[in-house]
Amino acid sequence: QKEVEQDPGPLSVPEGAIVSLNCTYSNSAFQYFMWYRQYSRKGPELLMYTYSSGNKEDGRFTAQVDKSSKYISLFIRDSQPSDSATYLCAMNRDDKIIFGKGTRLHILP
Amino acid sequence: NAGVTQTPKFQVLKTGQSMTLQCAQDMNHNSMYWYRQDPGMGLRLIYYSASEGTTDKGEVPNGYNVSRLNKREFSLRLESAAPSQTSVYFCASSTIPGNTEAFFGQGTRLTVV
Repeated sequence: QKEVEQDPGPLSVPEGAIVSLNCTYSNSAFQYFMWYRQYSRKGPELLMYTYSSGNKEDGRFTAQVDKSSKYISLFIRDSQPSDSATYLCAMNRDDKIIFGKGTRLHILP
Repeated sequence: NAGVTQTPKFQVLKTGQSMTLQCAQDMNHNSMYWYRQDPGMGLRLIYYSASEGTTDKGEVPNGYNVSRLNKREFSLRLESAAPSQTSVYFCASSTIPGNTEAFFGQGTRLTVV
């Protein structure tokens, strides 16, 4: 079992819909939980991070962590075509950042 | 505002050739990383350097070597390229090892024929 599991998609939703992206993990040692966004042919960029169970909101984005279930989510409200990208969950352990496979998201105008 | 700079952006190699991918950051970060990204596989860590003078293996180190030349530069070398090393390579840096925010370069697209 990989340490971080993420459905690669693709996921297509209409503009304005709420998007839910998810990851599961197996290692209780992970401390921080991150979401990176990667546009086509670009490097990933940090979108949000959190370290405790619960919700963290930033504009249209909400990151949720459930440590008891080893499950994290990213919600995007009022999705826009500009949100079309690959979203990678990531977690840190020791000196490393471990990434999920990424979910390709398409927002349809 | 250069951030993390990778060279070259594109490269085609023949099987058995060698090459070095260069990476430099201007943010005074301590830690640097090399990842490869393949379709359906996500970002996989090849090697990392937690601080100047140290390097460690990541998830997929076979066939690669690295050098942390100084605090700014971290190079990745393929001694004898194989088609399985066809990938997009990303260099990243962070202030401290495993920090939440890693800054990525624009990637090097490598094809081995």
